[in-house]
Amino acid sequence: QSALTQPRSVSGSPGQSVTISCTGTSSDVGGYNYVSWYQQHPGKAPKLMIYDVSKRPSGVPDRFSGSKSGNTASLTISGLQAEDEADYYCCSYAGSSHVVFGGGTKLTVL
Amino acid sequence: QVQLVQSGAEVKKPGSSVKVSCKASGGTFSSYAISWVRQAPGQGLEWMGGIIPIFGTANYAQKFQGRVTITADESTSTAYMELSSLRSEDTAVYYCAQTEVVRGFSSLTWGQGTLVTVSS
Repeated sequence: QSALTQPRSVSGSPGQSVTISCTGTSSDVGGYNYVSWYQQHPGKAPKLMIYDVSKRPSGVPDRFSGSKSGNTASLTISGLQAEDEADYYCCSYAGSSHVVFGGGTKLTVL
Repeated sequence: QVQLVQSGAEVKKPGSSVKVSCKASGGTFSSYAISWVRQAPGQGLEWMGGIIPIFGTANYAQKFQGRVTITADESTSTAYMELSSLRSEDTAVYYCAQTEVVRGFSSLTWGQGTLVTVSS
């Protein structure tokens, strides 16, 4: 199972929007509506931000949104804030109770 | 809300094994899956495998097949991950996470992580 493909880094200024892509195959991202996104600050455990492609857990700001088209999922963060600076990982169900993560994207808030 | 508390940091010799525990409190242990995810220094997250305690059957990433064993003890609400034939590349923080099948195998609750260092 190969890791999902994410850009190594993205950046944006406070108040702007950024989108992080996550490309897989028809065996994972494209085959199921089970894509999740995690935020991770240095030295901390990952935090779930999006599940089932576009759903937000309680407490996650609506500035975070998710979508999917074909084999590519996307996380959009609008109204960027300094505290959004972190690493972001996508994750997809890949069948047979397996999941696969993306390589991670470092978001820099300029 | 379930909390997951993992065992402490370990230092192991190459070729040996390590067993990390993950104790759940404050919720229903058996009906959720427990996943194990590791993160090497400066690297990304890597799913190793998971188990649904009520079923007792574990699933493993192909990369770790034959080297990892994931178990769960319902009586103590504790899950375990044992990795054998350790090598330096296994140096990483190992996380357990409560994974919800009904939420697309996403993980809302994570343990604090256990640093495993493999060094001669």
